[in-house]
Amino acid sequence: DAKTTQPPSMDCAEGRAANLPCNHSTISGNEYVYWYRQIHSQGPQYIIHGLKNNETNEMASLIITEDRKSSTLILPHATLRDTAVYYCIATTDSWGKFQFGAGTQVVVTP
Amino acid sequence: EPEVTQTPSHQVTQMGQEVILRCVPISNHLYFYWYRQILGQKVEFLVSFYNNEISEKSEIFDDQFSVERPDGSNFTLKIRSTKLEDSAMYFCASSAFLGQGAYEQYFGPGTRLTVT
Repeated sequence: DAKTTQPPSMDCAEGRAANLPCNHSTISGNEYVYWYRQIHSQGPQYIIHGLKNNETNEMASLIITEDRKSSTLILPHATLRDTAVYYCIATTDSWGKFQFGAGTQVVVTP
Repeated sequence: EPEVTQTPSHQVTQMGQEVILRCVPISNHLYFYWYRQILGQKVEFLVSFYNNEISEKSEIFDDQFSVERPDGSNFTLKIRSTKLEDSAMYFCASSAFLGQGAYEQYFGPGTRLTVT
């Protein structure tokens, strides 16, 4: 699995877009990038995943650079409920195992 | 929306006792996992389970741990003789294989295990 690097913390104003970066410079060609978040001590919540192309769903957008060495998760209109630890994971494990890092603590302020 | 459920939400046990943590994965998922998170630390992978067998396990998952899918719906984690350091939040997850190496994994709310 590729090592991922995320900033330890970020603040975001409510209603603004939150752009969360992730560096995965050693990613291999078949490794997917997954984003999860964990609100307080709840179970990690799936947000989005991608391989090469940018992806969008009802929660967020995922922008992957052309060289795939980094990605950005975009929460288009952050709300207070988006305050959480966000994890970026790059993996192609045969059985779907995820290795979580420390993630980015995002605090959305009014 | 389908979800992974776990029981109990909180379990307190004495050191040396056996505990069984229970999970009901999402019904059409075929891949099952246990993770744990010690307070203030990272989420750690314990074990993955597919086709009634362990497919991968971490160094944490030693002989004190076992997993089972006793029927078509439940997935359990047993700790035979609990230690103080087993105190953690235990998360069950289940996954669908989306093809081409992609998984969509969903986590349960967790069981907080406190060993005294």
